[in-house]
Amino acid sequence: TQLLEQSPQFLSIQEGENLTVYCNSSSVFSSLQWYRQEPGEGPVLLVTVVTGGEVKKLKRLTFQFGDARKDSSLHITAAQPGDTGLYLCAGGSNYQLIWGAGTKLIIKP
Amino acid sequence: KAGVTQTPRYLIKTRGQQVTLSCSPISGHRSVSWYQQTPGQGLQFLFEYFSETQRNKGNFPGRFSGRQFSNSRSEMNVSTLELGDSALYLCASSSDGVNEQFFGPGTRLTVL
Repeated sequence: TQLLEQSPQFLSIQEGENLTVYCNSSSVFSSLQWYRQEPGEGPVLLVTVVTGGEVKKLKRLTFQFGDARKDSSLHITAAQPGDTGLYLCAGGSNYQLIWGAGTKLIIKP
Repeated sequence: KAGVTQTPRYLIKTRGQQVTLSCSPISGHRSVSWYQQTPGQGLQFLFEYFSETQRNKGNFPGRFSGRQFSNSRSEMNVSTLELGDSALYLCASSSDGVNEQFFGPGTRLTVL
């Protein structure tokens, strides 16, 4: 059974701080996606990484795919209250997506 | 292009009843996936349909079923509702089930 473990499960920090959330597995994925979900809405895709070692930047968000394509990280620089939400990672393998349980992030003003 | 639509948005049922939820995917998308999300939790995968065939299935009891029509619209049915079925049910459409998932706004089901 393929599993994706996200850590931490919950993170509450002050505006302006930096943070990193992780998505780890013992399985290899052909791609890894990061989504953000705000209360009352469906998740929205932030980025897809497909190559081992790949780094993608989206403004203050930096996404990295591990060299072995088993893990990924999301780093947020100078977090803002608008970054608050549930961050979900999903790994693609054999025509299905495996989802992590999510990291609930709260940025306090 | 139009996004994913789900109907109804809110639903209140009592234990023992059954319910049908509907999802219209983005035009051209052949994959529709269904998820259950309880408060503060991540997504629990129910099943995925691709070109009218159930291709993947999560670990849910047989009370949860679904189908997909030739126009890719999908329905999900829950029979003999239990209190624990209260949740947000999300559907997502994708071109192939693995690439970007586009989510609908969800149907919030409350079982009393």
